[in-house]
Amino acid sequence: GAVVSQHPSWVICKSGTSVKIECRSLDFQATTMFWYRQFPKQSLMLMATSNEGSKATYEQGVEKDKFLINHASLTLSTLTVTSAHPEDSSFYICSASWDRTAYPEQYFGPGTRLTVT
Amino acid sequence: KQEVTQIPAALSVPEGENLVLNCSFTDSAIYNLQWFRQDPGKGLTSLLLIQSSQREQTSGRLNASLDKSSGRSTLYIAASQPGDSATYLCAVSGGSARQLTFGSGTQLTVLP
Repeated sequence: GAVVSQHPSWVICKSGTSVKIECRSLDFQATTMFWYRQFPKQSLMLMATSNEGSKATYEQGVEKDKFLINHASLTLSTLTVTSAHPEDSSFYICSASWDRTAYPEQYFGPGTRLTVT
Repeated sequence: KQEVTQIPAALSVPEGENLVLNCSFTDSAIYNLQWFRQDPGKGLTSLLLIQSSQREQTSGRLNASLDKSSGRSTLYIAASQPGDSATYLCAVSGGSARQLTFGSGTQLTVLP
């Protein structure tokens, strides 16, 4: 159980365009979803935390107008990279958790490789 | 602010060896600690999760320990195999949103 999917698994877009990445919890309801980015040979850095039906909380240094996060339902969160630039090229990973337990575990999606040309 | 450090950054061992990966964290107020495996270009595979009230967890050839008071965890891999080659990440959960803070990882290579 506790499967999280991401779509697409990879995407190439041109500089200046926007791209949307979907994160879905397939067999549980995710009260909280997290978005991370990972540069080559580096660890995961938390970008933002989103709770269903409320605005996302962004980490310091993450531009909220550039990385739009929507958590419209208990099974879906989306990350939209607006006006993408080559420096936004990265590996984006989402995770989801069910916070109604005492010790919530995060379940990770397989990641989305974004390349901006 | 929580900081997680993993030592060594890279490790190369011959097949069959037992090995230990280390993880340390600065803030002991954690909910849990997880060890993940990441293959090149892939997502994360959760290996073991230790709740803050626990001391260790075991799964097959893997054993993870947690000493919350000293801010340390170790991942022990017994009888290593080439298929164990990957990057191993340690992460601690804390804060109001239970967000994870990741270490920089240990890149393990097991030579046949």
